[in-house]
Amino acid sequence: DAGVTQSPTHLIKTRGQQVTLRCSPKSGHDTVSWYQQALGQGPQFIFQYYEEEERQRGNFPDRFSGHQFPNYSSELNVNALLLGDSALYLCASSLGINTEAFFGQGTRLTVV
Amino acid sequence: QKEVEQNSGPLSVPEGAIASLNCTYSDRGSQSFFWYRQYSGKSPELIMFIYSNGDKEDGRFTAQLNKASQYVSLLIRDSQPSDSATYLCAVWGSGGGADGLTFGKGTHLIIQP
Repeated sequence: DAGVTQSPTHLIKTRGQQVTLRCSPKSGHDTVSWYQQALGQGPQFIFQYYEEEERQRGNFPDRFSGHQFPNYSSELNVNALLLGDSALYLCASSLGINTEAFFGQGTRLTVV
Repeated sequence: QKEVEQNSGPLSVPEGAIASLNCTYSDRGSQSFFWYRQYSGKSPELIMFIYSNGDKEDGRFTAQLNKASQYVSLLIRDSQPSDSATYLCAVWGSGGGADGLTFGKGTHLIIQP
């Protein structure tokens, strides 16, 4: 049983560029949430997708956008990258909301 | 603003002893509580979840929840060097979970051989 998978694992981008991160949820899960984790901090909630809709978002600017596909996989897009966007980006999947969430291995994004 | 507070540590515990990790949360309506273990450079791994007041045991791990005091704890018995990691407390808020998990900053646990 495959767990949550994310791609790519590492990424280096230049300030001002755009990036797309991908996530496949754990088998049987229908809800995907995205988090940003800076060094030494806990993960911060970006947004959550359920039934292909963004259900809620955290305190992140509109440069952060996403999508959920009919197979429940999801993408996170970040436009106009800033140096401060450098972080570990985590995808978590769950069966519905408010239940156990399992994380993928993360994508380490470095903006130079 | 929902907050989850943890002592950042480091918490140093001798091998074989009990490690006790604590967490408080601000959202009184929170329903679900989770403990994640995160090794350096890796992603968080779910190790325990608890929804009701009281204790929940799973192997060497025990989660304790006191909603009246807004307090969650994790006990690790017979601590092993492989338990050395950062432990993150996370809470689904009263917004039905659609507002995502709120995490503490984590407690860095060191098990001394």
